[in-house]
Amino acid sequence: GAGVSQSPSNKVTEKGKDVELRCDPISGHTALYWYRQSLGQGLEFLIYFQGNSAPDKSGLPSDRFSAERTGGSVSTLTIQRTQQEDSAVYLCASSLALWNTEAFFGQGTRLTVV
Amino acid sequence: RKEVEQDPGPFNVPEGATVAFNCTYSNSASQSFFWYRQDCRKEPKLLMSVYSSGNEDGRFTAQLNRASQYISLLIRDSKLSDSATYLCVVNPGGSQGNLIFGKGTKLSVKP
Repeated sequence: GAGVSQSPSNKVTEKGKDVELRCDPISGHTALYWYRQSLGQGLEFLIYFQGNSAPDKSGLPSDRFSAERTGGSVSTLTIQRTQQEDSAVYLCASSLALWNTEAFFGQGTRLTVV
Repeated sequence: RKEVEQDPGPFNVPEGATVAFNCTYSNSASQSFFWYRQDCRKEPKLLMSVYSSGNEDGRFTAQLNRASQYISLLIRDSKLSDSATYLCVVNPGGSQGNLIFGKGTKLSVKP
């Protein structure tokens, strides 16, 4: 695709429900990143993928969070048993390679847990 | 010491002013450096990469001082459209593939 695509763009969910966020990176980009940003705050790193592999999962806030990437392309971030503190904008980015290359961001998924 | 540290601002400057942002990073082995720009309620976008020799793109100049672990961004002749949050970004390299973002410096350019 022309750019990084994320869906849904907005998600309102009830506390305790599971949600799945999707990221479609730029075609050919091997690296993919997930961040989240709370209102007025900086970007919090969650996880990155090199191909389908996620070498470092220590950025995930809790074991309710998981992510996968298949076929070196689409990635999903799943949050189980959502809590109000999970409310944030979840941003996905992709780049040609892990290092020394520009990362392009999607427009994000705004998650609101009520 | 935080991994990437920036002055949060806000910097309020008149049009035409020159403004400088600074950023320090903690990992001396960091490989690559960038400045991103984020407009309100939008995603971050690359402004420029930062090279060891320093680089310039129009009104924007970026500098890197590896010895001091310090990165700077200079904006000359500020425009109203420069109003945004400027994010310092560091790639640690090695076994770490993530991009580490500073919390950003907010710039507001006034008429």
